[in-house]
Amino acid sequence: KAGVTQTPRYLIKTRGQQVTLSCSPISGHRSVSWYQQTPGQGLQFLFEYFSETQRNKGNFPGRFSGRQFSNSRSEMNVSTLELGDSALYLCASSLVEGALGGYTFGSGTRLTVV
Amino acid sequence: QKEVEQNSGPLSVPEGAIASLNCTYSDRVSQSFFWYRQYSGKSPELIMSIYSNGDKEDGRFTAQLNKASQYVSLLIRDSQPSDSATYLCAVPIQGAQKLVFGQGTRLTINP
Repeated sequence: KAGVTQTPRYLIKTRGQQVTLSCSPISGHRSVSWYQQTPGQGLQFLFEYFSETQRNKGNFPGRFSGRQFSNSRSEMNVSTLELGDSALYLCASSLVEGALGGYTFGSGTRLTVV
Repeated sequence: QKEVEQNSGPLSVPEGAIASLNCTYSDRVSQSFFWYRQYSGKSPELIMSIYSNGDKEDGRFTAQLNKASQYVSLLIRDSQPSDSATYLCAVPIQGAQKLVFGQGTRLTINP
């Protein structure tokens, strides 16, 4: 059974550009959550999608957005990139909505903004 | 008060000893608790979940939960160098709508 797949694994972008990250959850999982991980802040919740609807959002500016498709695949977009957006972006999937059952994480996308 | 708090370490334990990792949380209604292990450069991996007060054992790992004290811990018996990693405590918060992680404890097992 395939795990959570994130693409690309690495990205280098310039300040002001925008970026789109992709996540394919475990087959049958309908919930996808996104996290940002930095050395200083740790793992910070960005948002959760379930059945193509955003169910919950963390404390991030509007430059961070996402969506989920009918096949449960999800994309995350960051516009007008800032140096501080450099981080490991992790996607996690779960069978049910919410966090009661825990998550399975993908390998992450390492974004570097220069 | 942070929603989920852990000692950041680093925690250094000799090989074969017991490593003890601790976590406190603020949401009294939380019902499930998770421990993740993250190796350097890798993503977090779920290693233990616990839902009821008391102990839950899985191989060399034991999770302990005390809801009255809002405290959850992870014990690693017979520690191995391969256990060297950052351990993250995670708790569903705000009606279980999101999983909040502690800052993680970096554990080093010395041969």
